[in-house]
Amino acid sequence: GAGVSQSPSNKVTEKGKDVELRCDPISGHTALYWYRQSLGQGLEFLIYFQGNSAPDKSGLPSDRFSAERTGGSVSTLTIQRTQQEDSAVYLCASSKGLAGGNEQFFGPGTRLTVL
Amino acid sequence: SQQGEEDPQALSIQEGENATMNCSYKTSINNLQWYRQNSGRGLVHLILIRSNEREKHSGRLRVTLDTSKKSSSLLITASRAADTASYFCATGSGYSTLTFGKGTMLLVSP
Repeated sequence: GAGVSQSPSNKVTEKGKDVELRCDPISGHTALYWYRQSLGQGLEFLIYFQGNSAPDKSGLPSDRFSAERTGGSVSTLTIQRTQQEDSAVYLCASSKGLAGGNEQFFGPGTRLTVL
Repeated sequence: SQQGEEDPQALSIQEGENATMNCSYKTSINNLQWYRQNSGRGLVHLILIRSNEREKHSGRLRVTLDTSKKSSSLLITASRAADTASYFCATGSGYSTLTFGKGTMLLVSP
């Protein structure tokens, strides 16, 4: 079947504006993750959804960041009042079952540029 | 702080040579995974090795895990120009998400 998809692939916004990034995980995958990757850096964990459990938000860098996952499928990451330091590639991944014990399948990412 | 730390940060070799990348981590894990990333976009899973395994092979890839030293290595044999990418190790503790290192950039020249 189809892999993880993300939209938009690129987003340019002005400082102070809100943005929404979308992730469609692989059908049937119960776990969904958001990561952020700055230029030349590793992946920074943001948030993780597993089934119907409360999400693990421990990686969100500030209260300007939030995410939801509707119906256990599509997820939206929202960044309010964007700042220039929010510029990065935002990656979504999904996996079967338990996080940390299974292969994660990544989407192509959304490159966010805040001017 | 990063759980996995890859070494070296960058590696440049000729086609046909072998490439070895190392990963060290700090806390107990139940598995360690290696991923490849091309052009700063989505990562592709290469191999998963569980904490009770010492070595695993997949095609030209060989991964070792030494839990006593908290380290892993990824060996790519007979490298090709298409292997040029960044390689990340990621550690999993079962119920938590994966923790990624900063990666090794591999350049394979024709």
